Amino acid sequence: NAGVTQTPKFRVLKTGQSMTLLCAQDMNHEYMYWYRQDPGMGLRLIHYSVGEGTTAKGEVPDGYNVSRLKKQNFLLGLESAAPSQTSVYFCASSYSAGVFEQYFGPGTRLTVT
Amino acid sequence: SQQGEEDPQALSIQEGENATMNCSYKTSINNLQWYRQNSGRGLVHLILIRSNEREKHSGRLRVTLDTSKKSSSLLITASRAADTASYFCATELSGNTPLVFGKGTRLSVIA
Repeated sequence: NAGVTQTPKFRVLKTGQSMTLLCAQDMNHEYMYWYRQDPGMGLRLIHYSVGEGTTAKGEVPDGYNVSRLKKQNFLLGLESAAPSQTSVYFCASSYSAGVFEQYFGPGTRLTVT
Repeated sequence: SQQGEEDPQALSIQEGENATMNCSYKTSINNLQWYRQNSGRGLVHLILIRSNEREKHSGRLRVTLDTSKKSSSLLITASRAADTASYFCATELSGNTPLVFGKGTRLSVIA
């Protein structure tokens, strides 16, 4: 039981390049989330999904796209990376919203030069 | 915008002392959760308290919730060096909405 995994762990991009971050969970959770964490800013929600085939915007969605084609996977895409997207990205999943805890992946450290 | 704000931003204590962290929020909530993050790792859930509860315990953790003051506190008793981490509160504003995380308190426990 791996929980929540993220690929890759580290990545350096040049401005304008694109990439996809992959999140996978093996707990059969309905809800999945993408956050970014910047120094002094805490966690900010980028996009989330309440089930396979659904996505919704969070607090800071601009510059990112997501897809949830399979229940266990949630992909975060950067179409044209900018230095402002340098951050640590965390994926999380939960059985549902409300009283259910979120399980977090180990994070992806992304640097855009 | 952040819903929850932790206070203090950073806290340094000696091993064996108690650590208290506070979280204030702006609007009514359904429940509040506390998470811990060790350096370079993902967050780990610690405890949940519902809006109709005033206090909960889990091992060395004690959480209180005062909905009239829109605040919660996390007390870690008899702290250990392994408790060194950042602690975040997260609030659920209404049913089926994502949690909103605060900026966290960095706790350092010195052996």
